[in-house]
Amino acid sequence: GAVVSQHPSRVICKSGTSVKIECRSLDFQATTMFWYRQFPKQSLMLMATSNEGSKATYEQGVEKDKFLINHASLTLSTLTVTSAHPEDSSFYICSARGGGLSYEQYFGPGTRLTVT
Amino acid sequence: DAKTTQPNSMESNEEEPVHLPCNHSTISGTDYIHWYRQLPSQGPEYVIHGLTSNVNNRMASLAIAEDRKSSTLILHRATLRDAAVYYCILRDLAEAQGAQKLVFGQGTRLTINP
Repeated sequence: GAVVSQHPSRVICKSGTSVKIECRSLDFQATTMFWYRQFPKQSLMLMATSNEGSKATYEQGVEKDKFLINHASLTLSTLTVTSAHPEDSSFYICSARGGGLSYEQYFGPGTRLTVT
Repeated sequence: DAKTTQPNSMESNEEEPVHLPCNHSTISGTDYIHWYRQLPSQGPEYVIHGLTSNVNNRMASLAIAEDRKSSTLILHRATLRDAAVYYCILRDLAEAQGAQKLVFGQGTRLTINP
């Protein structure tokens, strides 16, 4: 299947700083990318959907000014957690889907963020 | 989003078949039934999907009820590597491509005993 990578896999940052997570589709063009967050023992929660070249659509309750999403190319999306707080500590997972006849949605390996 | 209901957990023995049920009584005619699984500390992995007919692939089989209000994921011979959380998700292909999204429920945590 297609490959989606995330970088970094783990990151620790101090409270009040910002951290950027990259998501890349390695062997296909991702017209749509998704960002999820997952707390321990819980399911994935969709944060936002982004289509290449357009502003991201955020799910209800997700602060767009805190979680900045950029989908500037067909292979790269970034999620920036601004002014991070300990409650933002979570497992962040991106997902990508191609356009046209492409059907499947592929997930990255996730990024574990710890805010101290 | 159409909702699905799955048991919180199931347990099975290695090399035995596993049947994971999913109820989706409010499914619409354009909803596809998807199954993903998530191994510990990893992103979800696609397993199988279907619309009306039963489906088979190298990982599993999907049995869909005639009224489409329920489905069952079948692992024919479970191994220890199949221990994961299995998610049954509906995806509406009638929506515009950019608007289609996978919304995860709680899933079923499958434990495989050696």
